Amino acid sequence: GDSVTQMEGPVTLSEEAFLTINCTYTATGYPSLFWYVQYPGEGLQLLLKATKADDKGSNKGFEATYRKETTSFHLEKGSVQVSDSAVYFCALSDNTGKLIFGQGTTLQVKP
Amino acid sequence: GAVVSQHPSRVICKSGTSVKIECRSLDFQATTMFWYRQFPKQSLMLMATSNEGSKATYEQGVEKDKFLINHASLTLSTLTVTSAHPEDSSFYICSASTPRVVSTDTQYFGPGTRLTVL
Repeated sequence: GDSVTQMEGPVTLSEEAFLTINCTYTATGYPSLFWYVQYPGEGLQLLLKATKADDKGSNKGFEATYRKETTSFHLEKGSVQVSDSAVYFCALSDNTGKLIFGQGTTLQVKP
Repeated sequence: GAVVSQHPSRVICKSGTSVKIECRSLDFQATTMFWYRQFPKQSLMLMATSNEGSKATYEQGVEKDKFLINHASLTLSTLTVTSAHPEDSSFYICSASTPRVVSTDTQYFGPGTRLTVL
């Protein structure tokens, strides 16, 4: 079945460092791809999404490009802040609307 | 817009009792709601998909008689954990999607309910 694999965390960075969180997927169809963020003590929030190949999702300085050839949707940010510390989930949506999540990657940004 | 609420945010109950968790879409109509379970430091696992006015569709391995789901209106879905036991302790999260093309639409998540069964 469809699945999502994220790089294991935790990822610890200094403020203003460059962030990459890798995400790859396997799917039989043409899924939509998402990044969700979960701040401490809060629910999941949509960070960005892409619905077709070569689409780039972006929000709050974060970007991810839907790469069909490498089945990837890596999350990047050029300069992280302490406030970006959270758990990041990569997910795909199959043609039934179900979301399949990766295992989550914890990001800790130190001042 | 697209706010989803859950109530209660935390609940502690005794083993053998039943607990009801509500999920509401506050500013949109949600034809489809999803219920997830999240274990500590783990990902979300889909439990069931709920469509307004019809029976919920449960994922493999989820006991439908233990986790009763009702989606009586376009803004409310409830999850009842019947005869709860300590192993049911978890973080339960609902999400809702708007009535457009489901496969490309966004799910909006509630803040979650922490259930502790003593």
